[in-house]
Amino acid sequence: NAGVTQTPKFRVLKTGQSMTLLCAQDMNHEYMYWYRQDPGMGLRLIHYSVGEGTTAKGEVPDGYNVSRLKKQNFLLGLESAAPSQTSVYFCASSYSRRAEAFFGQGTRLTVV
Amino acid sequence: TQLLEQSPQFLSIQEGENLTVYCNSSSVFSSLQWYRQEPGEGPVLLVTVVTGGEVKKLKRLTFQFGDARKDSSLHITAAQPGDTGLYLCAGDHPGGGADGLTFGKGTHLIIQP
Repeated sequence: NAGVTQTPKFRVLKTGQSMTLLCAQDMNHEYMYWYRQDPGMGLRLIHYSVGEGTTAKGEVPDGYNVSRLKKQNFLLGLESAAPSQTSVYFCASSYSRRAEAFFGQGTRLTVV
Repeated sequence: TQLLEQSPQFLSIQEGENLTVYCNSSSVFSSLQWYRQEPGEGPVLLVTVVTGGEVKKLKRLTFQFGDARKDSSLHITAAQPGDTGLYLCAGDHPGGGADGLTFGKGTHLIIQP
């Protein structure tokens, strides 16, 4: 039972490069989320989705785009990476807004 | 505005001691969850409290939801090195939209052998 799987686990980007982070869940959850975690800032919501084909902005969406073409996958894209996007990124999924959130292991991204 | 304030931010104690960490808000929450996050991992749910005044026990961990559903506490008895981690509280705000739970910034707990 894999739960929530994130790829890649580590990545180093140069400023201006682009990349896509992939999140896959096998629990048939409708809700999926992308967070970033920075020291002293806690978990901040970037974008979220309440079902296949839907996406919405969270607290810190600038510089990121997302897509949910399939229910089990939620992609986070960085079109032109900046050093301020250096962070640990977590994907999560849940059955409903109130329900337990299941998190992936995170992606540590460094932008130089 | 930080809806959920956690205190203390950092706590380092010796093995065998007891401790309490807090999660406070000026807002009412329908439910509140506690997660533990270990280094290099994602947060994992410990417990969900729903009813004002509710107390839940998980081995040496005791969780309490305030009567007014605005605050919660986590008490650990006889702390062990395996309890080390980041403890996060997360609340479901009654007036919130579909954007899921609101997370506090967490308490970093270190239990020294």
